[in-house]
Amino acid sequence: DAGVIQSPRHEVTEMGQEVTLRCKPISGHNSLFWYRQTMMRGLELLIYFNNNVPIDDSGMPEDRFSAKMPNASFSTLKIQPSEPRDSAVYFCASRHPGAGWAYNEQFFGPGTRLTVL
Amino acid sequence: GENVEQHPSTLSVQEGDSAVIKCTYSDSASNYFPWYKQELGKRPQLIIDIRSNVGEKKDQRIAVTLNKTAKHFSLHITETQPEDSAVYFCAASAEYGNKLVFGAGTILRVKS
Repeated sequence: DAGVIQSPRHEVTEMGQEVTLRCKPISGHNSLFWYRQTMMRGLELLIYFNNNVPIDDSGMPEDRFSAKMPNASFSTLKIQPSEPRDSAVYFCASRHPGAGWAYNEQFFGPGTRLTVL
Repeated sequence: GENVEQHPSTLSVQEGDSAVIKCTYSDSASNYFPWYKQELGKRPQLIIDIRSNVGEKKDQRIAVTLNKTAKHFSLHITETQPEDSAVYFCAASAEYGNKLVFGAGTILRVKS
């Protein structure tokens, strides 16, 4: 299995531009998570989906951020308009649907390093 | 909501010594406590986890202990090696691994 796939790996944009980050979860996983990592705030959960449905978006910083999961194999995180304080590494993670404790692990993608100038 | 505090923020040990990282959590409903290791420029990866009905779990040189009464859990690494140098994050979840709340991280440096 290729693991969680994220694109792009690096994104440099100017303030005010729209940014779209993409994620493909591990095949067969039904939970998908978006995290943001910064030095100041650490690793924060932004939103997560179960079976393509957003369950908890309380971590989304503001209305400029939106996330979608149109199908089981694809999710996007969009920032419009972007601001310099959005600069961070954004990770996507996925989790197996199994009910037992053996299925708790979240598998992280390689991340997208976003720089907003 | 859940709040996870992690100490120390940095830890330097000599190769071969032990390292201990401690975390406390606030939500008594939390039932799952994973530890992730993140090497520089890489993704976080699970190294060990423990659930609320277990007090201790060991996997080779790493072990985790949980004290539910005191709401704290710890990561123990024995016989540290240079490749153990990384950032370690603890986390807690009251949703069987869904909504993880992470600690701030501990930078571990193993000096050879």
